[in-house]
Amino acid sequence: DAMVIQNPRYQVTQFGKPVTLSCSQTLNHNVMYWYQQKSSQAPKLLFHYYDKDFNNEADTPDNFQSRRPNTSFCFLDIRSPGLGDAAMYLCATSRTLGGNQPQHFGDGTRLSIL
Amino acid sequence: AQSVTQLDSHVSVSEGTPVLLRCNYSSSYSPSLFWYVQHPNKGLQLLLKYTSAATLVKGINGFEAEFKKSETSFHLTKPSAHMSDAAEYFCVVRPPSGNTPLVFGKGTRLSVIA
Repeated sequence: DAMVIQNPRYQVTQFGKPVTLSCSQTLNHNVMYWYQQKSSQAPKLLFHYYDKDFNNEADTPDNFQSRRPNTSFCFLDIRSPGLGDAAMYLCATSRTLGGNQPQHFGDGTRLSIL
Repeated sequence: AQSVTQLDSHVSVSEGTPVLLRCNYSSSYSPSLFWYVQHPNKGLQLLLKYTSAATLVKGINGFEAEFKKSETSFHLTKPSAHMSDAAEYFCVVRPPSGNTPLVFGKGTRLSVIA
């Protein structure tokens, strides 16, 4: 089945130690998104790629970066994680931007900071 | 600007009774509207979407939603709740075009009592 896969499901890192979260998709969608979701809150968009074009949300901290080496893979890099970055990180894809195209979500990576 | 209001943060129903999760939206244009469900430690799964083809939209797992333009509402219903329906539900709006992200409601947690 075509899907969005996130690895690992659970990640523990130390305060200030860089960490990378991974997302892959078999849907061949043009757009890939990264969301941060804290407990009992809605997901918050960090950034997205439309093909190779990177779009950062205005309030995304500089500590968060992303790479998309090819259509199938997208990475979220947190350069110096703080305690406030502990959250669920969701990757999503869509065929195009805007309109009635739904987003397809992976199961997320839960990040803990020690 | 688009906005979404989910009127209840928590709804509790007995198994076998109807479910109603309320959502009101604000949009200057004809929006696309979605309902997503999120089970614990999982990503978001699309339940259904409204794209102006029909005002009554049927989704997966017996859920449906009715778009009422005069009331700017898109309430989610199910005739008979099942224990497996217990989850967080998000109403989401997206403008019809352009590079704009999804706008999420704050979510409604559905509890189903045996």
